[in-house]
Amino acid sequence: KAGVTQTPRYLIKTRGQQVTLSCSPISGHRSVSWYQQTPGQGLQFLFEYFSETQRNKGNFPGRFSGRQFSNSRSEMNVSTLELGDSALYLCASSSGGGSGNQPQHFGDGTRLSIL
Amino acid sequence: AQSVTQPDIHITVSEGASLELRCNYSYGATPYLFWYVQSPGQGLQLLLKYFSGDTLVQGIKGFEAEFKRSQSSFNLRKPSVHWSDAAEYFCAVGGGSQGNLIFGKGTKLSVKP
Repeated sequence: KAGVTQTPRYLIKTRGQQVTLSCSPISGHRSVSWYQQTPGQGLQFLFEYFSETQRNKGNFPGRFSGRQFSNSRSEMNVSTLELGDSALYLCASSSGGGSGNQPQHFGDGTRLSIL
Repeated sequence: AQSVTQPDIHITVSEGASLELRCNYSYGATPYLFWYVQSPGQGLQLLLKYFSGDTLVQGIKGFEAEFKRSQSSFNLRKPSVHWSDAAEYFCAVGGGSQGNLIFGKGTKLSVKP
């Protein structure tokens, strides 16, 4: 069974640009969550999608948005990039979701660098 | 608010020695607890989970963890560490108000030959 696939693995952008990251969950998984990982703040929850609906959202500005398609693939968009957005963005999928009681399976992440 | 504390930022052990990584959580109800491991440049791999029942749970790669409600702890152990265990380890609690995982800051494990 294929794992969670994130593309691209690496991205370099400049301030003010926007970026879209993609995540393909494990087959059959309907929940996709996104996390930001930085050395200073650690792993922080961005949002979770389940059946094409955003079910939960972390404490991030509106520049961070996402969506989920009918095949459960998800995209995350960050607009007006800032230097502080440089991070590893991790996607995780699970079979259920919403209560944190299902193991989440992570992709290898997208490393975003802002110049 | 739910939180997870991993008191040790960095631990170094000799290969073949035993290992215990500490994790304390703050949660109002019965927690769902997880340990993940992250190798450099990679995502997180689930080592083990605790939902209910037996408080000693076995995971992959020879790891185990013990849930102690009275101490709000979920420490990770391994009897004999291998050089390939060098990585960063994250404890997480699930069931938060937003339904997401809440992670500790991680413990980086180095293994001496």
